[in-house]
Amino acid sequence: AQKVTQAQTEISVVEKEDVTLDCVYETRDTTYYLFWYKQPPSGELVFLIRRNSFDEQNEISGRYSWNFQKSTSSFNFTITASQVVDSAVYFCALSEDTSGTYKYIFGTGTRLKVLA
Amino acid sequence: GAGVSQSPSNKVTEKGKDVELRCDPISGHTALYWYRQSLGQGLEFLIYFQGNSAPDKSGLPSDRFSAERTGGSVSTLTIQRTQQEDSAVYLCASSPLRGAGELFFGEGSRLTVL
Repeated sequence: AQKVTQAQTEISVVEKEDVTLDCVYETRDTTYYLFWYKQPPSGELVFLIRRNSFDEQNEISGRYSWNFQKSTSSFNFTITASQVVDSAVYFCALSEDTSGTYKYIFGTGTRLKVLA
Repeated sequence: GAGVSQSPSNKVTEKGKDVELRCDPISGHTALYWYRQSLGQGLEFLIYFQGNSAPDKSGLPSDRFSAERTGGSVSTLTIQRTQQEDSAVYLCASSPLRGAGELFFGEGSRLTVL
């Protein structure tokens, strides 16, 4: 069965610190997709990244980077030199074909607080 | 508009009343999803539409919940005989791709059942 675990409920860091948000997933499929979304205080979820299961190459986008490791079923997200504007709830999600349905399963989210 | 539109943005109702929540996806997006987010919680999958059909209704919490989609576009989530535990933010998302694409979320409909 699909499952996404974000063990960190809340993290507080001081501005300019680096922070890593953990995501561990479970799936029986060989083809699946992993996502990260940001939900700022305003409430609307914003897409950050999508990876497919065949591409384990790590990705960097500005201060954001993602580490995908199939061996540990993890898809961790690192923010370098955090800023107050990074304060939000971050969700990891998994999508796979389950009998013709693509159901995106979300983790419970990690609330990141960046203090000035 | 260019994004996913949901209405109403806020709904306060009395226990036992029926409510309808509407989602207008991005034009051309064939996949449409409903999620529920309770206070401080993650996103709970409710139902998924591909076109007008709903291959998976397993996430609907009870038979008081139903949803439909017409013309491959607008979707309505109906909650009958609302209960206090139905209070949550109901999020709609659409996607142009079947399973592989990013989800575009609306701002949600906040439902409060008194």
